[in-house]
Amino acid sequence: NAGVTQTPKFQVLKTGQSMTLQCAQDMNHNSMYWYRQDPGMGLRLIYYSASEGTTDKGEVPNGYNVSRLNKREFSLRLESAAPSQTSVYFCASSEWWDGGTDTQYFGPGTRLTVL
Amino acid sequence: SQQGEEDPQALSIQEGENATMNCSYKTSINNLQWYRQNSGRGLVHLILIRSNEREKHSGRLRVTLDTSKKSSSLLITASRAADTASYFCATDRPILTGGGNKLTFGTGTQLKVEL
Repeated sequence: NAGVTQTPKFQVLKTGQSMTLQCAQDMNHNSMYWYRQDPGMGLRLIYYSASEGTTDKGEVPNGYNVSRLNKREFSLRLESAAPSQTSVYFCASSEWWDGGTDTQYFGPGTRLTVL
Repeated sequence: SQQGEEDPQALSIQEGENATMNCSYKTSINNLQWYRQNSGRGLVHLILIRSNEREKHSGRLRVTLDTSKKSSSLLITASRAADTASYFCATDRPILTGGGNKLTFGTGTQLKVEL
């Protein structure tokens, strides 16, 4: 099993360009997440999808859109990139039950630089 | 604001010593999870402790949870150079609007284990 895969690994954009980060998981998890990680800030949740067909905003959704394409895939789109979106982006997946979120499995990350 | 706050922000110890990291949070949780991140990599799950549990062990790791004080600690015994990494606590809480649960990560403790 590959777990959680992300593409691309690295990307450099100019201000105003758009791009889509791809994420796929092969663990049959219902929930998927997009985080960004900035130095000294920990991980912040951008968007999440509790189950196929649903998406919701996290802490820092402005400037991003998401699509839960199917149970396996969850993409993150930057419509008009800004330097403030320079960050490392992580996708994760998990199950959840009445007692809460189970272990989250993370992809290797995408390092995005916006010039 | 961050739900989980780790303390200390950085810790440097000698190989063979024990390392203790603490995490405090503000509101009720379903469970608390600890993750490890090696430089430039994705996060890896270490331990999940539920709100009705007080202590959990996994190999050289021991996690405690005190819900009355809203705090948790991660103890790594007999540390090794390979334990050098950042360690994050994440608190799982119900989402009040829309349903489901989500993890909120702290800013992490950077552990350095020297030979």
